[in-house]
Amino acid sequence: AQSVTQLGSHVSVSEGALVLLRCNYSSSVPPYLFWYVQYPNQGLQLLLKYTSAATLVKGINGFEAEFKKSETSFHLTKPSAHMSDAAEYFCAVSDSYGNKLVFGAGTILRVKS
Amino acid sequence: GAGVSQSPRYKVAKRGQDVALRCDPISGHVSLFWYQQALGQGPEFLTYFQNEAQLDKSGLPSDRFFAERPEGSVSTLKIQRTQQEDSAVYLCASSRRDRGTEAFFGQGTRLTVV
Repeated sequence: AQSVTQLGSHVSVSEGALVLLRCNYSSSVPPYLFWYVQYPNQGLQLLLKYTSAATLVKGINGFEAEFKKSETSFHLTKPSAHMSDAAEYFCAVSDSYGNKLVFGAGTILRVKS
Repeated sequence: GAGVSQSPRYKVAKRGQDVALRCDPISGHVSLFWYQQALGQGPEFLTYFQNEAQLDKSGLPSDRFFAERPEGSVSTLKIQRTQQEDSAVYLCASSRRDRGTEAFFGQGTRLTVV
């Protein structure tokens, strides 16, 4: 069975500082990995996805993530946080037969001015 | 429409009442998914349709939960005899059939059972 672990339910950074949100996955097959962002009372919006092409994936709003098979990790980073980045972020893995997603518990990102 | 549309956005039900939640997927999307998101948790898979066929319902928590997509487009998630533990946001997502393609999510229906 697939699973996702997100380290840190809450992360707080200063505006302009590096954002690092951690995600580790477990999968018995080559995974498809995703990061989604959720703003209050909104649905999930895709930030980026890894589908076995380049290991460094660039997404929207300046976010990127690196797939590291040896570490079973897919951490999300952004060089400089903006106030508008404050939201909840979910890492997810999909199985080999389609798009059913297994989500982590989420990390709430707070950006301080 | 341009995105996945869910209705109602908010639903308050008395314990024991039946509810029906609607999802309009993106036109032409073959795959449709329902997820349940409890407060402070990540979404959890409920069920999956490919066109009108329900291929996976392993996530439905009990036989009080039923989903259908009779014409391969609009889907309805029905919960019978609602319980307080059913309170959650119910998210619908649709995607093309291809592996690894993006699932587009609706804004969800927040169900509160009182």
